[in-house]
Amino acid sequence: AQSVTQPDIHITVSEGASLELRCNYSYGATPYLFWYVQSPGQGLQLLLKYFSGDTLVQGIKGFEAEFKRSQSSFNLRKPSVHWSDAAEYFCAVGAHGGGNAGKSTFGDGTTLTVKP
Amino acid sequence: DTGVSQNPRHKITKRGQNVTFRCDPISEHNRLYWYRQTLGQGPEFLTYFQNEAQLEKSRLLSDRFSAERPKGSFSTLEIQRTEQGDSAMYLCASSSRQNNEKLFFGSGTQLSVL
Repeated sequence: AQSVTQPDIHITVSEGASLELRCNYSYGATPYLFWYVQSPGQGLQLLLKYFSGDTLVQGIKGFEAEFKRSQSSFNLRKPSVHWSDAAEYFCAVGAHGGGNAGKSTFGDGTTLTVKP
Repeated sequence: DTGVSQNPRHKITKRGQNVTFRCDPISEHNRLYWYRQTLGQGPEFLTYFQNEAQLEKSRLLSDRFSAERPKGSFSTLEIQRTEQGDSAMYLCASSSRQNNEKLFFGSGTQLSVL
């Protein structure tokens, strides 16, 4: 069965500092990997996804993530955090294609607080 | 706004009552998903539709839960004889035929069972 672990429940960074959110997954084959952001009262928004190819993927809002098969990780990074990045971040793993596409398993999230 | 719309935003009910939520997906999207999210956890998959056909239901979806998508457009999720453990955020998402891995989520319906 697929699973996702986000080891950090809560992270606090200063505005302008760099950010890395960790994600480890368990999946029997090459996974589809996603990062979503959820602001209070809002639905989840897709930041970026990895399906295949280049292991460093670029997303919206200046985020990027790197797929490392050997470490079963897909960590999210941003070089300089803005106050508006404060939100909850979810990593998810999905199966390939057909009826499995869209049926993702999510981690429990990391809450990001940004200090002025 | 042509995003995924969910109604109501909040629902408070007493234990044992029935509740129904509605989801209007993005109009050209053929797939519609329901997820449940409890406090401090990530969303959990409940069920999904391709057009009007319900193709899969999670084991989380007990017999008290039923979902429909009668004309392949909007969907409803009904919970009968609600229990306090049903309190959660119910999220709807949709995806297109061309890019069905990319989910667009609604803002959810927050259910509180007293």
